[in-house]
Amino acid sequence: DGGITQSPKYLFRKEGQNVTLSCEQNLNHDAMYWYRQDPGQGLRLIYYSQIVNDFQKGDIAEGYSVSREKKESFPLTVTSAQKNPTAFYLCASSIKREQFFGPGTRLTVL
Amino acid sequence: SQQGEEDPQALSIQEGENATMNCSYKTSINNLQWYRQNSGRGLVHLILIRSNEREKHSGRLRVTLDTSKKSSSLLITASRAADTASYFCATDPPTGANSKLTFGKGITLSVRP
Repeated sequence: DGGITQSPKYLFRKEGQNVTLSCEQNLNHDAMYWYRQDPGQGLRLIYYSQIVNDFQKGDIAEGYSVSREKKESFPLTVTSAQKNPTAFYLCASSIKREQFFGPGTRLTVL
Repeated sequence: SQQGEEDPQALSIQEGENATMNCSYKTSINNLQWYRQNSGRGLVHLILIRSNEREKHSGRLRVTLDTSKKSSSLLITASRAADTASYFCATDPPTGANSKLTFGKGITLSVRP
């Protein structure tokens, strides 16, 4: 079964803690993306990677970090520097221009 | 920066009716895409229309693109309750280094049974 997975589905974190969201794809796609979605808002791009060992900041990268050591994996770390991290996080991958999305992780900071 | 702006923000129709959603954008595009999102889920790609295309069909979906007006419309014919979701347009800029999709804020469609 080809697809893109994200884990966990729900994540709770205390203020001041870093947390890492997982994103894995077996579609053999080169490009991967992380978006943040707030209620009533569209998707805002956090980071993206077009090839292994390379990634670029998106529109709202402050307080986040990523790595791309393997083609299949693009984890996102939400650091304590992110002032308002409670949101729905979506990972996507693409090989041409169409993007394929994972099911999302809902992060809540307590 | 927000490129695509959808209109209306919310739409409520009766099952069987047609639903028309609009998207306007500001800068040149390579293509425009429409996505659907069910509540609490990831987005699903519906259709892509290239800048040199004017109309495209996929099942009950019809998309038009007017590059002179920088606008696109998504028509869902004979709507069903299962079409209830949020719909997003996404603009893809002319191909270049690090080009990436920009999503609008979405349209919430409710189809009443």
